[in-house]
Amino acid sequence: NAGVTQTPKFQVLKTGQSMTLQCAQDMNHNSMYWYRQDPGMGLRLIYYSASEGTTDKGEVPNGYNVSRLNKREFSLRLESAAPSQTSVYFCASGYRGQAEETQYFGPGTRLLVL
Amino acid sequence: AQSVAQPEDQVNVAEGNPLTVKCTYSVSGNPYLFWYVQYPNRGLQFLLKYITGDNLVKGSYGFEAEFNKSQTSFHLKKPSALVSDSALYFCAVRDSSNTGKLIFGQGTTLQVKP
Repeated sequence: NAGVTQTPKFQVLKTGQSMTLQCAQDMNHNSMYWYRQDPGMGLRLIYYSASEGTTDKGEVPNGYNVSRLNKREFSLRLESAAPSQTSVYFCASGYRGQAEETQYFGPGTRLLVL
Repeated sequence: AQSVAQPEDQVNVAEGNPLTVKCTYSVSGNPYLFWYVQYPNRGLQFLLKYITGDNLVKGSYGFEAEFNKSQTSFHLKKPSALVSDSALYFCAVRDSSNTGKLIFGQGTTLQVKP
């Protein structure tokens, strides 16, 4: 079991460029999440997908789009990157069977927008 | 509004001494509480969670946490700290909308010195 995998591990973009962050899980989880981590602010939810075919906004969705491609994969797209999107991005997944679901996190993608 | 507070940015402790990392929460309904640890340049790893039942929850790597409903706290503890415990610790609470979303505290850096 690889758990939750993310690609790329590190990316540098220029303002206005676009890119897609990939996430996949092999734990047969229903729920998947995208968070961003910024110093002193903990993790903030960008988007989530409670099940295949559904997506919803989190706390900080502006500037991002997501696609739940299938049960395994959940991608995050930046259409026009801005310096404010410099951050570490984490994907997570959970079984979503009950409220006590534990989320499991990928290793993260470090994004620098110049 | 639902929230999690970790009042200490950093906790310093000598190896072999007990450690406590503090967390308080505010949520409507029953709280579902989690602790995660993040080592440098790594993703978050699940340590333990409180759902219901015994107020003292035991988790990975010898950590435990005490749930106190009257003080709305969920402090992380370990009887004897190791240098290898040095990391960033996050407390989180399940969002009461039952969507699986987690609300994270800002994190506490634990530094264990030999």
